[in-house]
Amino acid sequence: QVQLQASGPGLVKPSETLSLTCTVSGDSVSSFYWSWIRQPPGKGLEWIGFIYYSGSTNHNPSLGSRISMSVDLSKNQFSLRLTSVTPADTAVYYCARHFRGLNAYPDWFDPWGQGTLVTVSS
Amino acid sequence: EIVMTQSPATLSVSPGERVTLSCRASQSVNNNLAWYQQNPGQAPRLLIYDGSTRAAGVPARFSGSGSGTEFTLTVSSLQSEDFAVYYCQQYNDWPPYTFGQGTKLEIK
Repeated sequence: QVQLQASGPGLVKPSETLSLTCTVSGDSVSSFYWSWIRQPPGKGLEWIGFIYYSGSTNHNPSLGSRISMSVDLSKNQFSLRLTSVTPADTAVYYCARHFRGLNAYPDWFDPWGQGTLVTVSS
Repeated sequence: EIVMTQSPATLSVSPGERVTLSCRASQSVNNNLAWYQQNPGQAPRLLIYDGSTRAAGVPARFSGSGSGTEFTLTVSSLQSEDFAVYYCQQYNDWPPYTFGQGTKLEIK
């Protein structure tokens, strides 16, 4: 059974960098695409970006150049960095396996990790 | 960017009732649509993909239909554990992958 666990600081100061890591168990990160999704308190879901084990990435254009992602095959982990954070980046951050359908492109998200709340505040 | 619109925002229903939730896309997404269920304090759970295919372990009372711009999620007989927030997500045209704003099912 695939399980994902996001971890990282729960509090980040404005203008600093948010860094999160997702540890995958029960599957290899070299098998699928992997995504980050966030949910501001009481609001809906926003896709942040995905990474493939090769290092190939794609992200939500709304985040511009603030985002970077990486994968560590030896630790079976993938990571997210979001620079120049503001209070608008306060959210529960989820990592998820981004499942490929028949067309070989990443499609739906399954399963999701439990999520970690990151608060941006001074 | 494809905008996904769900209606209604909140639906009050009684256990045992049949309920239909709607999701509309701002342009055709073919059948490239998924549905998720989110209980309070929990991560979303995949229910339906490709518009109508139930994910593994999802009870048969959940069914999805539609294509193009109009989609529905039907729960044939609501159980207590079904009272949650439901989201649709399109994966036809990205980036970005986009979600609807959610429909909350609450007990009447």
